[in-house]
Amino acid sequence: EPEVTQTPSHQVTQMGQEVILRCVPISNHLYFYWYRQILGQKVEFLVSFYNNEISEKSEIFDDQFSVERPDGSNFTLKIRSTKLEDSAMYFCASKPAGEETQYFGPGTRLLVL
Amino acid sequence: AQTVTQSQPEMSVQEAETVTLSCTYDTSENNYYLFWYKQPPSRQMILVIRQEAYKQQNATENRFSVNFQKAAKSFSLKISDSQLGDTAMYFCAFMKYSYNDYKLSFGAGTTVTVRA
Repeated sequence: EPEVTQTPSHQVTQMGQEVILRCVPISNHLYFYWYRQILGQKVEFLVSFYNNEISEKSEIFDDQFSVERPDGSNFTLKIRSTKLEDSAMYFCASKPAGEETQYFGPGTRLLVL
Repeated sequence: AQTVTQSQPEMSVQEAETVTLSCTYDTSENNYYLFWYKQPPSRQMILVIRQEAYKQQNATENRFSVNFQKAAKSFSLKISDSQLGDTAMYFCAFMKYSYNDYKLSFGAGTTVTVRA
């Protein structure tokens, strides 16, 4: 069964560094999402992406964040200058057209020191 | 904005018994979807069950069923014949029906522990 994959599974970085989190959505899906979950807190929506542009973004998704679908298969989340409070689990999800269910990847655990 | 409330931070159940998790939500939308996702210790988010608001019939998936009360804005999950593998955090989630806007709003989660 096709799955959403994410790399790396864990990343440790220094405050102020740039990180890129990678996701490979399910191949025939058209809608893509990033969510994050700070330890012990609820899962929060960051951004949705459709037709090569951002559909919606949350207040969390400020100028330090960007998303890209560079090659038709990968979907990336870039944090330009990481802060301590960016430490969280980041989930990618994808959804096919005509269906409501989002399929989640296993997540990337980001730790900013 | 939609809010989703899960009032039970933790639940414990004996193996083979039944447990019910509560979820309420606040919305002015008439068309929407509700989901229960499971997050085991591996942290992967796995869909358990979903419900379309326009359907009056409660969704069921094997041992999992929901009690959807639209007027009360309530969406509880019942796990029957609980198994050790059901131990996980369970999130209730809301999605409004909208063209190209399918973001999920999650509740805070309920940790379910199944005891042997």
